[in-house]
Amino acid sequence: DTAVSQTPKYLVTQMGNDKSIKCEQNLGHDTMYWYKQDSKKFLKIMFSYNNKELIINETVPNRFSPKSPDKAHLNLHINSLELGDSAVYFCASSQAESQPQHFGDGTRLSIL
Amino acid sequence: AQSVSQHNHHVILSEAASLELGCNYSYGGTVNLFWYVQYPGQHLQLLLKYFSGDPLVKGIKGFEAEFIKSKFSFNLRKPSVQWSDTAEYFCAVNARTAGNKLTFGGGTRVLVKP
Repeated sequence: DTAVSQTPKYLVTQMGNDKSIKCEQNLGHDTMYWYKQDSKKFLKIMFSYNNKELIINETVPNRFSPKSPDKAHLNLHINSLELGDSAVYFCASSQAESQPQHFGDGTRLSIL
Repeated sequence: AQSVSQHNHHVILSEAASLELGCNYSYGGTVNLFWYVQYPGQHLQLLLKYFSGDPLVKGIKGFEAEFIKSKFSFNLRKPSVQWSDTAEYFCAVNARTAGNKLTFGGGTRVLVKP
């Protein structure tokens, strides 16, 4: 069974659209994260949630809104998509903030 | 600004050669250190971690890393690489002074020629 699963794997859409990426973890972890990996492979944290509460909110446009309905899920909704949003988005989870993180397979978002 | 630096962006070597990837960080205080690997088209996987204790840490697939506190370094090593070690390698630091946020280095792309 996949520990951290995110859907969809690929997302191709046009500028201005709104889209969501879903993430679920079955590891029983308390903390979940969203990362953005750009075309140069640079990884940057966007958000982290601990037990459904927002802990880290990096300098991310407010077009990005995370939602955690329960501690096993952390979804990412993006409004008014822009060309610069094209990237691979990784979801991750860990038992606690200082512990190793387990990553999903990524969602490759391409904006036309 | 506090950061994590990986000195080599690209490394090309032949099978059986030794590998060493540099990682330096600029955080003070207590740190947890990690190396992650990302094989082509795959997600990040943990190679090894250092929290405390013996500064020489052994990880999976024959990798090891040495924490040198005085140099703020956590270099990754493998004595003899294989073609299957071709991947992107990321150093990451979790520091209490940075709110326990995991900060990644820029990554090093390693290509092992058969």
